[in-house]
Amino acid sequence: DTEVTQTPKHLVMGMTNKKSLKCEQHMGHRAMYWYKQKAKKPPELMFVYSYEKLSINESVPSRFSPECPNSSLLNLHLHALQPEDSALYLCASSQDTGGNTQYFGPGTRLTVL
Amino acid sequence: AQSVTQLGSHVSVSEGALVLLRCNYSSSVPPYLFWYVQYPNQGLQLLLKYTSAATLVKGINGFEAEFKKSETSFHLTKPSAHMSDAAEYFCAAAKWTGNQFYFGTGTSLTVIP
Repeated sequence: DTEVTQTPKHLVMGMTNKKSLKCEQHMGHRAMYWYKQKAKKPPELMFVYSYEKLSINESVPSRFSPECPNSSLLNLHLHALQPEDSALYLCASSQDTGGNTQYFGPGTRLTVL
Repeated sequence: AQSVTQLGSHVSVSEGALVLLRCNYSSSVPPYLFWYVQYPNQGLQLLLKYTSAATLVKGINGFEAEFKKSETSFHLTKPSAHMSDAAEYFCAAAKWTGNQFYFGTGTSLTVIP
């Protein structure tokens, strides 16, 4: 089973709202990722967790706050977002580091009004 | 630094014709190489992965890719295009160590009936 699940599928929020995106995998993977993807563009890496520790933060604004409660779960907390943050947010996981295949979830389509 | 170039942001082929999507990487050390497909409003699905075990890699849905070190290329091919192949295709590279993927800019494939 190579499934990564993400909830919700769609999210509409105002600029003053607080919301969270959730990602889950049960493949025993130890690395998990958040990407942001704009239309017709490749995914842009936001955060990487390796063994439940934040290992990469690609200079993402603090209005995005990641959390890895355990090895199967990854959350992205959103607060005071801007309309330009509207995008498809993708979660991925891989067995470990070093070029392992990343398996992607279906994404959450976020619209910020 | 690692980079991936996909020549042709848009490719159109007739149904039944050969599909050829180009990918070149820049690295003195051949990295892991991947092809992913993305259908509208979905996540990325792995088509195939090069790991140095074999230069010709077969993937899902009839796709294959050939690694050519002399040309630093990893082009994706399919002998006969189906309507269902219409999607966005991303080539990606990963180093032997570390978590980061380097995505190409993507190629949008249109299949003409």
